Amino acid sequence: NAGVTQTPKFQVLKTGQSMTLQCAQDMNHEYMSWYRQDPGMGLRLIHYSVGAGITDQGEVPNGYNVSRSTTEDFPLRLLSAAPSQTSVYFCASARNTEAFFGQGTRLTVV
Amino acid sequence: EDKVVQSPLSLVVHEGDTVTLNCSYEVTNFRSLLWYKQEKKAPTFLFMLTSSGIEKKSGRLSSILDKKELFSILNITATQTGDSAVYLCAVHTGTASKLTFGTGTRLQVML
Repeated sequence: NAGVTQTPKFQVLKTGQSMTLQCAQDMNHEYMSWYRQDPGMGLRLIHYSVGAGITDQGEVPNGYNVSRSTTEDFPLRLLSAAPSQTSVYFCASARNTEAFFGQGTRLTVV
Repeated sequence: EDKVVQSPLSLVVHEGDTVTLNCSYEVTNFRSLLWYKQEKKAPTFLFMLTSSGIEKKSGRLSSILDKKELFSILNITATQTGDSAVYLCAVHTGTASKLTFGTGTRLQVML
């Protein structure tokens, strides 16, 4: 089983560039979410979705957009990258129980 | 705002020691508390706790929840170097399966 697949694994962006982090799950989970992980900060929720067509903001949504056109996919868009967005990003999916995580994307903004 | 606090932030022990990791929370609409282990990549699931006083156990790891005092502990007995990791506590709230994480406890087990 593929589980939760994130791409890319690594990315370097210049300040002001835009990009999309991809996340797909094959478990038919209703809930999907994006987190960023910074040293000493744990996992902070960026955006989440409870089903296709429904998204909501988490703890740190500024500078990021999401959409959920299908149950399987939940892309995260950085509109204009900033050095403060340098972080490791995790996508997760869940259905009423534990969350399953993708392998993470290490993003560096220079 | 939902809040999850873990202590200690970091811990260094020797193989064979027993450790206790703490997680306290202040959230609305509590559903469950989860423990994860994170080594180099994605967090991996350890336990989910929903009821007070019922211990969950897996090998040398065990965990218990106190919903009255709003905390959970994760115990690891006879620690091994392979237990070295960041242990994350998360609380599952609301109808939207929202997970709020603590900052984690970094455990280092030395020979």
